[in-house]
Amino acid sequence: QKEVEQDPGPLSVPEGAIVSLNCTYSNSAFQYFMWYRQYSRKGPELLMYTYSSGNKEDGRFTAQVDKSSKYISLFIRDSQPSDSATYLCAMSLYNTDKLIFGTGTRLQVFP
Amino acid sequence: EPEVTQTPSHQVTQMGQEVILRCVPISNHLYFYWYRQILGQKVEFLVSFYNNEISEKSEIFDDQFSVERPDGSNFTLKIRSTKLEDSAMYFCASSPRSGSNQPQHFGDGTRLSIL
Repeated sequence: QKEVEQDPGPLSVPEGAIVSLNCTYSNSAFQYFMWYRQYSRKGPELLMYTYSSGNKEDGRFTAQVDKSSKYISLFIRDSQPSDSATYLCAMSLYNTDKLIFGTGTRLQVFP
Repeated sequence: EPEVTQTPSHQVTQMGQEVILRCVPISNHLYFYWYRQILGQKVEFLVSFYNNEISEKSEIFDDQFSVERPDGSNFTLKIRSTKLEDSAMYFCASSPRSGSNQPQHFGDGTRLSIL
């Protein structure tokens, strides 16, 4: 079983839609969870960072962590064409700086 | 907003040659990292560096790799004798402090092509 699994997509939605992006993981010791956005030919850009189970909201973005199910989600409300990018989940253990990434989900928002 | 800067954006090197990838982390950050992403694959951790020492490295980071902070601003990754399978995007990242609760900020990467 892979450590972090993420559907590669592509996911294609109309402008204004609510987008749901998800990752599952196998190691219950993961403590910190991040979502990065990566535009073509650019580096990963940090979007959201969470520690505990529950929800965290920042503007149009909501990150959700369910440690009991080993499942994390990123919701994007009122999606825009500028949201078109690859979304990477990443997570780490308590005592390390090493980030474990998912493969990324490619999102396309069309006008 | 401060950012991590990487040079060159694209490096083409003959197999067996040495290559140095350069990074300028965010100025008040103290922890530095290298990751790589082979085309179509996940971003993978290579090494973390603090106070002029490697603090953690992955199994990928073998004897052909080394890192250095030669001055107060640059952070470099050297690959001594490049192989075809070293072709990848290499990302530098930095964070202000250690700990998994300190998000890492990434540069735009150097695309390394080994011929």
